[in-house]
Amino acid sequence: EDQVTQSPEALRLQEGESSSLNCSYTVSGLRGLFWYRQDPGKGPEFLFTLYSAGEEKEKERLKATLTKKESFLHITAPKPEDSATYLCAVINSGGYQKVTFGTGTKLQVIP
Amino acid sequence: NAGVMQNPRHLVRRRGQEARLRCSPMKGHSHVYWYRQLPEEGLKFMVYLQKENIIDESGMPKERFSAEFPKEGPSILRIQQVVRGDSAAYFCASSQGTGIPDTQYFGPGTRLTVL
Repeated sequence: EDQVTQSPEALRLQEGESSSLNCSYTVSGLRGLFWYRQDPGKGPEFLFTLYSAGEEKEKERLKATLTKKESFLHITAPKPEDSATYLCAVINSGGYQKVTFGTGTKLQVIP
Repeated sequence: NAGVMQNPRHLVRRRGQEARLRCSPMKGHSHVYWYRQLPEEGLKFMVYLQKENIIDESGMPKERFSAEFPKEGPSILRIQQVVRGDSAAYFCASSQGTGIPDTQYFGPGTRLTVL
């Protein structure tokens, strides 16, 4: 069974203090790894898809990287509006589009 | 460019009643997924549907829960004889069905409260 573990569970940063969120996964043939952002009371918002080890993607202050066992979401000089829960998810090479999510990292950026 | 729409946003039911949750996918999307999120827990896959077909329902409880995606109209997640443990946020996602993998875009969710 596919498993996704995210760490830390919660992270508190000062505005401008860069850091990284970790997503470790066990999957029977990775077809893709997703990062989402979820604000309280809202649905997850798509950020990135990574397909193979060594791949990187960037969007504003966020950069996602992928290895064969884990993915990192690097946040550079965060702002208070980056506060949210960040979710990692994987999809395996099985026949269907079944996605397994981690429990997320709750990020708080303090002004 | 409307996103995934879900209604109602909040639903309150008493134990034993039925709950019907609706999801309209993004324009051009023909694949729909339902997830459940309990407080402090991750999103759990329930069911994956295409128009008039259930593709994967491995995450659906065997009893009381059913889902459909008719040829016309929204996808429906139906929970019969609700119990307090059904209280959760239910999210719908949709995708084009053209990618491998296919990016799923989520709606705002329906928060079900069972009294």
